[in-house]
Amino acid sequence: DIQMTQSPSTLSASVGDRLTITCRASHSINKWLAWYQQKPGRAPKLLIYEASSLESGVPSRFSGSGSGTEFTLTISSLQPDDFASYYCQHYNTYWTFGQGTKVDIK
Amino acid sequence: QLRLVESGGGVVQPGKSLRLSCAAFGFTFSSYPIHWVRQAPGKGPEWVAFISDDGNNEGYADSVKGRFTISRDYYKKTLYLQMNRLRAEDTSVYYCATEGHAFDLWGQGTTVTVSS
Repeated sequence: DIQMTQSPSTLSASVGDRLTITCRASHSINKWLAWYQQKPGRAPKLLIYEASSLESGVPSRFSGSGSGTEFTLTISSLQPDDFASYYCQHYNTYWTFGQGTKVDIK
Repeated sequence: QLRLVESGGGVVQPGKSLRLSCAAFGFTFSSYPIHWVRQAPGKGPEWVAFISDDGNNEGYADSVKGRFTISRDYYKKTLYLQMNRLRAEDTSVYYCATEGHAFDLWGQGTTVTVSS
């Protein structure tokens, strides 16, 4: 089984900050990595697919990069609506989520 | 409007059964693989089960294999999850999600609580 490890687990930040969240796969997953945002009581929302493709309607301040085993999600300038939890996910032939990164207010 | 609506959750005793439903609206139901994903209180999402667009392929997480069965009804445009021999650790919010780019479209979730 492929394991997905996210870091950090919690991130305290301020509006306007640049944030980077890392996700590592236990084996190479090529480009099959997605990022989701989740707010309390809501379903996850797809932000990024195929490691770096922005889902339609998602603000351009979100970007993804990486391939193989190491991936990053970057928020270029944190907005009030971005305080949430973020999950990476390996998909395509097997589906595994990372344990999550909670972004809260510093 | 593209929507998935889950139903069927509730409180059930350990060892009992429950069937969840996920109704699809606003898109061609037969065009997409669909998954069940669950999320225990305070935890991250956990993939549970998958069924292919044509219904010929299924997959299950080890934690539910042999106890849960996924199926889909194309006429009713509805996905199901039959859950048998439920355990306390199955307590979660259960979501259905279509796979397009990744898990593009999610329902609002239905809560399953396994407790005596």
